[in-house]
Amino acid sequence: QVQLVQSGAEVKKSGSSVKVSCSASGVRSSSYAIHWVRQAPGQGLEWVGEIHVIFGTTNYAQKFQDRVAITTDEFTGTAYMQLSGLTPEDTAIYYCARAPHNPEYCNFGCCPAWEWGQGTMVTVSS
Amino acid sequence: DIQMTQSPSFVSAFVGDRVSITCRASQGISNWVAWYQQKPGTAPKLLMYAASSLQSGVPSRFSGSGSGTEFTLTISSLQPEDFATYYCQQVNSFPLTFGGGTKVEIK
Repeated sequence: QVQLVQSGAEVKKSGSSVKVSCSASGVRSSSYAIHWVRQAPGQGLEWVGEIHVIFGTTNYAQKFQDRVAITTDEFTGTAYMQLSGLTPEDTAIYYCARAPHNPEYCNFGCCPAWEWGQGTMVTVSS
Repeated sequence: DIQMTQSPSFVSAFVGDRVSITCRASQGISNWVAWYQQKPGTAPKLLMYAASSLQSGVPSRFSGSGSGTEFTLTISSLQPEDFATYYCQQVNSFPLTFGGGTKVEIK
């Protein structure tokens, strides 16, 4: 059974950075990506970006391109999302999610997220 | 970027009702759509992938259809545990994008 465990809640000041971790366990296949999705209070889901855990290739939403970095430690099975230049508009729950790569349900590496972490609340104050 | 327009944004229905949610893509995306269910205070859960394939463990009252630009998630007989918010997501190309969500509430 795959489980994703994220780091704890963070409170940050505007202009600072935050780094959230996501540790995967119970994964049998190495061909998968870790996605990061955020959800502002009372709002919908917003895709931030993703990384393939073996190849290290990343894809980011244009909105975050200049200030997000998603990395992975293949030895520990941990992925990280660092977001810099924080503003109060970045206040949200940040989820990591695992997307296995399988041509049955993926289109050239674009895959749905099968398992999700519990979420990490990031609060940014001015 | 591909925009996903989801409707309605809110549905009020009785237990036992049939409910349908629609997602329209801003360009053709074949069948590369996933559907998620999210209950308050919890992470989203994958219901459907490739537009019409049911994720393991998801009840058969959920079904998906569509291709190209229009997609539908249908709950054939709404159960108390189905009251939640539902999101579509296109997985045709990066950046992946979500619809705005549909909240299904008890009437």
